[in-house]
Amino acid sequence: GAVVSQHPSRVICKSGTSVKIECRSLDFQATTMFWYRQFPKQSLMLMATSNEGSKATYEQGVEKDKFLINHASLTLSTLTVTSAHPEDSSFYICSASWPADYGYTFGSGTRLTVV
Amino acid sequence: KNQVEQSPQSLIILEGKNCTLQCNYTVSPFSNLRWYKQDTGRGPVSLTIMTFSENTKSNGRYTATLDADTKQSSLHITASQLSDSASYICVLLSSQAGTALIFGKGTTLSVSS
Repeated sequence: GAVVSQHPSRVICKSGTSVKIECRSLDFQATTMFWYRQFPKQSLMLMATSNEGSKATYEQGVEKDKFLINHASLTLSTLTVTSAHPEDSSFYICSASWPADYGYTFGSGTRLTVV
Repeated sequence: KNQVEQSPQSLIILEGKNCTLQCNYTVSPFSNLRWYKQDTGRGPVSLTIMTFSENTKSNGRYTATLDADTKQSSLHITASQLSDSASYICVLLSSQAGTALIFGKGTTLSVSS
């Protein structure tokens, strides 16, 4: 149980376009989802926390207008990278939590390359 | 500042050998400590979860220990396999910061034949 599905696994887009990444909890309802960014050989960096039905909470230094997060249901959160630039190229990972046992399950990640 | 420090940064071992990865932390108080395995280009997968009152937790060939007095944790891998090659990340769930996960930078393990 507690599976989080993240799509797409890889995406290449042109500079200036927008990209949407989906994160779904398949067998549980995720009241809270988290979005991380990871650079090579670095640890995961929390970008934002999204709660179902409310606005996301962004970490300091993360542009909320550039990284749009929507958590419209208890099983789906999306991250949209707007007007992507090459410096946005990175590995993006979502995770979802459920109340019991403070469980956290991570998605498989999305490799974004902006050319 | 809450910190999680892992050592070594990288490690190369021969297939079949054992190894131990270290995690020192200053996070206090915390709810639990987790070890994750992250394959290249994939999301982290949970190996063990220990509360602050637990001393050891096993998951197959993986055994994690926790010493709350010295604020140290270790992950021991026995009879290593090529598929163990990955990054191993120590993560603490801080009580003080709500539900914030605090990540170590990971240890990159390479198992060679």
